[in-house]
Amino acid sequence: AQTVTQSQPEMSVQEAETVTLSCTYDTSESDYYLFWYKQPPSRQMILVIRQEAYKQQNATENRFSVNFQKAAKSFSLKISDSQLGDAAMYFCASGPAGAQKLVFGQGTRLTINP
Amino acid sequence: DSGVTQTPKHLITATGQRVTLRCSPRSGDLSVYWYQQSLDQGLQFLIQYYNGEERAKGNILERFSAQQFPDLHSELNLSSLELGDSALYFCASSGTITGELFFGEGSRLTVL
Repeated sequence: AQTVTQSQPEMSVQEAETVTLSCTYDTSESDYYLFWYKQPPSRQMILVIRQEAYKQQNATENRFSVNFQKAAKSFSLKISDSQLGDAAMYFCASGPAGAQKLVFGQGTRLTINP
Repeated sequence: DSGVTQTPKHLITATGQRVTLRCSPRSGDLSVYWYQQSLDQGLQFLIQYYNGEERAKGNILERFSAQQFPDLHSELNLSSLELGDSALYFCASSGTITGELFFGEGSRLTVL
């Protein structure tokens, strides 16, 4: 069974600073994907970034990047130059390849202080 | 806009009642997933359909059922509703090997 753990229920950061959200996972799959989703107050689930487990290179999307440590089963999200619009719940998720269900962590609520 | 459409957006009903939530996946996506999100909680997987067939089942209550129709839209039926069923119900679809899910805006169910 897959599990995803986010050990930080809440985080806060000053605007323009950098923050890192932690995630660990466990899976028996050999081919899998990892994701970070953002859920703003509107409750919409928005994909932030995706990492293919077979790729050693860490994924980046503008101000968002990940630190993927496969052996440690760790997948953290770094947000650089934090903006007020980044305030949201962030969910880490894991799933096997091939259009199968994702398992989500419990989320980290990120607050941006102006 | 994710391309996934869910209706209704909000629903208020009483205990013991039955409701149906509807989902239209992105064009071309064969897989539909239902998730439940209780207040300030994570997303709990309920069930997945692939091209009309049930593919995976999570912790879905026996009072809940779902189906996917030939046009690929899906419905989640919730019956004998209890106060604890109040939650945000998400539908998502996927059509790629990368496993990325595209979520609808959710249906917020309030049971009074």
